Amino acid sequence: QKEVEQNSGPLSVPEGAIASLNCTYSDRGSQSFFWYRQYSGKSPELIMFIYSNGDKEDGRFTAQLNKASQYVSLLIRDSQPSDSATYLCAVTRGATNKLIFGTGTLLAVQP
Amino acid sequence: DAGITQSPRHKVTETGTPVTLRCHQTENHRYMYWYRQDPGHGLRLIHYSYGVKDTDKGEVSDGYSVSRSKTEDFLLTLESATSSQTSVYFCAIRSTGLNYGYTFGSGTRLTVV
Repeated sequence: QKEVEQNSGPLSVPEGAIASLNCTYSDRGSQSFFWYRQYSGKSPELIMFIYSNGDKEDGRFTAQLNKASQYVSLLIRDSQPSDSATYLCAVTRGATNKLIFGTGTLLAVQP
Repeated sequence: DAGITQSPRHKVTETGTPVTLRCHQTENHRYMYWYRQDPGHGLRLIHYSYGVKDTDKGEVSDGYSVSRSKTEDFLLTLESATSSQTSVYFCAIRSTGLNYGYTFGSGTRLTVV
């Protein structure tokens, strides 16, 4: 079992719809959770982080965390073609808070 | 780009040769990381540093070494490059404070032939 699991996709949604990206993790000791966006050929960029159970909203993005179920999700409202990218889930591990990444979900927003 | 630069951006090298990649930051961050990214494997941690001369191994450290003689520079060396080390290499720095997400450099695309 991988430490951080994501469906590789592609997840295809029409423009204006809600995109839902999911991530599960295996280490119950993980404290912090991050979502990165990576365009093809570019480096990952941080879009959301969440530490507490529940929802955290930032513009069109909402991160959801359920530590009991070891589940993190990212919702993108009013999806735009410019949101088409790979979304990477990352969780911290250990005392030095190393980031462990999932393999990413490819999102394709259709105009 | 958020004060972190990687060099070179692209490199082609021959099997068996040593290769050094450089990561330079201007933000005086204590923590620096080297990852490699491969299709189907995502980003995997090679080595990291938590201060000058303080480094530790990540999950895929075999065949790699690192050095950090100054806060701003973190070097990754492939001691004897192999084709399996063909990859995109990313350096990252860790922010401090409540948001300690990583900021990544632009990456180095390394091809070992």
